[in-house]
Amino acid sequence: AQTVTQSQPEMSVQEAETVTLSCTYDTSENNYYLFWYKQPPSRQMILVIRQEAYKQQNATENRFSVNFQKAAKSFSLKISDSQLGDTAMYFCAFLFSSRTYKYIFGTGTRLKVLA
Amino acid sequence: KAGVTQTPRYLIKTRGQQVTLSCSPISGHRSVSWYQQTPGQGLQFLFEYFSETQRNKGNFPGRFSGRQFSNSRSEMNVSTLELGDSALYLCASSLESGGPYEQYFGPGTRLTVT
Repeated sequence: AQTVTQSQPEMSVQEAETVTLSCTYDTSENNYYLFWYKQPPSRQMILVIRQEAYKQQNATENRFSVNFQKAAKSFSLKISDSQLGDTAMYFCAFLFSSRTYKYIFGTGTRLKVLA
Repeated sequence: KAGVTQTPRYLIKTRGQQVTLSCSPISGHRSVSWYQQTPGQGLQFLFEYFSETQRNKGNFPGRFSGRQFSNSRSEMNVSTLELGDSALYLCASSLESGGPYEQYFGPGTRLTVT
């Protein structure tokens, strides 16, 4: 069975500093996709970044980047130059490409950016 | 383009009652997925509908059901409500099904069962 684990329920970071959120997953699949979603307080969840398992290069979106280690089944999110607007719940999600596609989400990490 | 909308936004029901939640996807999106979000459990996948057919189903009891209409709008029904059904119910739409399509989430319906 596929599982996604986020071992940090809560984290905080000072504004302008860098923070890394951890995510590990377990799967026997070889072809899959990984995502980080952000859910700001009382606002809709939005996609932050995605990574295809077949790509060795780590994905980057402005201040957000991932460290994808396929062998270790690790997919961490690095936020550089943290801003107050980054305060949110962050979910790691896994999508495996079998006959039916289904998202599996982690339990989330609540990140607070401190002024 | 309007985002995903969900109605109602808040709902309070009594144990044993039933409830229907509604989701309108982004125009042109044909896939709608439903999730239950609770503290400590994250998002649990309920089911996905595509072209009025259920494509995927999570591990929830039969009290949870859904349907999709020809305009892609979807409804989720929970019968015989239990206290443990209190949660934020999110719906997400995507362009198609069966691929790594980005999901766009609605604001959710917060259901409280007393």
